[in-house]
Amino acid sequence: RKEVEQDPGPFNVPEGATVAFNCTYSNSASQSFFWYRQDCRKEPKLLMSVYSSGNEDGRFTAQLNRASQYISLLIRDSKLSDSATYLCVVNIGGTSYGKLTFGQGTILTVHP
Amino acid sequence: EPEVTQTPSHQVTQMGQEVILRCVPISNHLYFYWYRQILGQKVEFLVSFYNNEISEKSEIFDDQFSVERPDGSNFTLKIRSTKLEDSAMYFCASSDRFYGYTFGSGTRLTVV
Repeated sequence: RKEVEQDPGPFNVPEGATVAFNCTYSNSASQSFFWYRQDCRKEPKLLMSVYSSGNEDGRFTAQLNRASQYISLLIRDSKLSDSATYLCVVNIGGTSYGKLTFGQGTILTVHP
Repeated sequence: EPEVTQTPSHQVTQMGQEVILRCVPISNHLYFYWYRQILGQKVEFLVSFYNNEISEKSEIFDDQFSVERPDGSNFTLKIRSTKLEDSAMYFCASSDRFYGYTFGSGTRLTVV
């Protein structure tokens, strides 16, 4: 089983749509969870951390289910600028300086 | 906003040659990393570095690779005797204990 698994998509949605991405991780000892965004041929950039209680940042909502080892990201009111690859990322050690394990990414294209 | 700086942005080298990829981490960060991403694949951890020594490395990071912090500001990745399969984007990152990772914009290495 892959350490971090995501549906690669691509997801092709119109502006204004709501889209959800899912991710599962295999190591139950994982402590910290993140969603990163990666534009074509650019570096990964932190979108948001994911907490057990769920957290929201504007149009973005992240959820974590430790029992199911499942992470989700919901994007509401999609914008053209949301087009990117969304990376599910896990840090087993849980420190802010530990090794990150990346999923393969989910490609999102938002069209007019 | 502080940045991680990588040079060069693109390097082309002949198979069998040695390359050195350079990075300037954020000045007050103590933890340094190299990741790579082969085209179309996920971001993979190579090595982490703290207190002037390797703290963790992946199975990818074999004897062909080495890292060094030659002075107070630079962090380098050396690849000896490059192979075609070393062609990838190489991302440097740095972090501190509190605020997590910052990635550089990457060096695209092409081995011909």
